[in-house]
Amino acid sequence: QSALTQPASVSGSPGQSITISCTGTSSDVGNYNLVSWYQQHPGKAPTLIIFEANKRPSGVSSRFSGSKSANTASLTISGLQAEDEADYYCCSYAGSRFGGGTKLTVL
Amino acid sequence: QVHLVESGGGLVKPGGSLRLSCAASGFSFSDYYMTWIRQAPGKGLEWISYISSSGSPIYYADSVKGRFTISRDNAKNSLYLQMNSLRADDTAVYYCARDMNGLDSWGQGTLVTVSS
Repeated sequence: QSALTQPASVSGSPGQSITISCTGTSSDVGNYNLVSWYQQHPGKAPTLIIFEANKRPSGVSSRFSGSKSANTASLTISGLQAEDEADYYCCSYAGSRFGGGTKLTVL
Repeated sequence: QVHLVESGGGLVKPGGSLRLSCAASGFSFSDYYMTWIRQAPGKGLEWISYISSSGSPIYYADSVKGRFTISRDNAKNSLYLQMNSLRADDTAVYYCARDMNGLDSWGQGTLVTVSS
């Protein structure tokens, strides 16, 4: 049950867009749309920002969007803001696995 | 408003046991799958167990299978995690979460430290 693969870190300047990838296999990410994304600020519990690969829960900014192609899911954050600096985790329900996490730095 | 509160964490010696609880309020607890996730200090998230709304099916990660037991009491709006044969690598913050179109609500977590 190895973790889904995410880059360890990404960075961007305020106003820019960044994309975080999440790579699994044809048995999980590739075969189901059951991918979710979580944001975690230091010392806080994670919060859900994307579910079913591309859907946003009520109250989540439209600057956050998700997509999926084959075995890779992606999270895009547009119009970067300082408050977006956090750790981001993908998760596949098929296999109940999280990615290793990506630290986003807003320069 | 959905509210989840974990309790029961603490310091325990290797080989010891702990029982975590998660008190739920603000929603119809018996309608939802519930999940335990943990996060070791400075590390990522690990999905360790889930339980269906009725109590079956149940899933365990290989890392805890045979040592941890998840259960729930729908009459008490509570989720539990019985942890036995604890090891140093079980040291983590343990979160409970509601499973609805993703893990849409999380508790604040409870810290379990396994150390002699």
